[in-house]
Amino acid sequence: EPEVTQTPSHQVTQMGQEVILRCVPISNHLYFYWYRQILGQKVEFLVSFYNNEISEKSEIFDDQFSVERPDGSNFTLKIRSTKLEDSAMYFCASSTLNTGELFFGEGSRLTVL
Amino acid sequence: DQQVKQNSPSLSVQEGRISILNCDYTNSMFDYFLWYKKYPAEGPTFLISISSIKDKNEDGRFTVFLNKSAKHLSLHIVPSQPGDSAVYFCAAMSSGAQKLVFGQGTRLTINP
Repeated sequence: EPEVTQTPSHQVTQMGQEVILRCVPISNHLYFYWYRQILGQKVEFLVSFYNNEISEKSEIFDDQFSVERPDGSNFTLKIRSTKLEDSAMYFCASSTLNTGELFFGEGSRLTVL
Repeated sequence: DQQVKQNSPSLSVQEGRISILNCDYTNSMFDYFLWYKKYPAEGPTFLISISSIKDKNEDGRFTVFLNKSAKHLSLHIVPSQPGDSAVYFCAAMSSGAQKLVFGQGTRLTINP
C-alpha cells in the first residue's frame, strides 16, 4: 500500500541552527501539507502546497519556515533558525483531492536544545 | 483557538460495547468534518467523514453523526474491539480552504 515517508524520524539540533525535514508523498497525490504537534497539544496546520506553490499557510508559518518540492517527488520543510518552541512532531501529509482526507507520514520528531 | 473541542481526554469501554466519542465546534463556516485515529509513533489515519449536508454517515462499525444546530458531532464504534484502542481526533474544514482544524483528541481504551 502506498504511504507517505518522512526522514529523519528524530532530529536533535541546537537553537539557531537550520533544519530540513524531508517527505516523500504518495506519487499520484496533488496536495501536500505540513502539520505539527507540540507534545501534549493538538495537531496544528502549518502549510499546504498545490501546483508548485503555497496555497494556504497558518500564522505559525512565519518567515523562518519555507517549503519546497525540489524534484517532483520530495517535499521539504525548512526551518531557518530554530527556536526552543519549534520542538514538536512534524507530520507531512498528501492527498489527491482537497477533501481533508489526508494520508499522513509517521512524523519527524524535532528537538531543539 | 478552540474552534474544535473534544472535552473528554480519555474514554474506557468494554470490548463489544459501543464507544461514543464527542466533538464540538464553534465556527459555523465549517462544512466538512472528519475523524482520524492515531496509534503511538504513527501519523493520524483517516477514519470517516461527513459533509454538512448530511446528518449521518456509516462505514462498517463506524458511524458519524452531525447535529448542525448544536454544532456537535459524534463518532460511534460498535462493537468496540481491542484494536480500536488509540487516540481519536475530530477535525473540521471549510469548503475552499485547505487546512484541517483538529480537536485535542480523545484516548480510547478498549478493555477485554
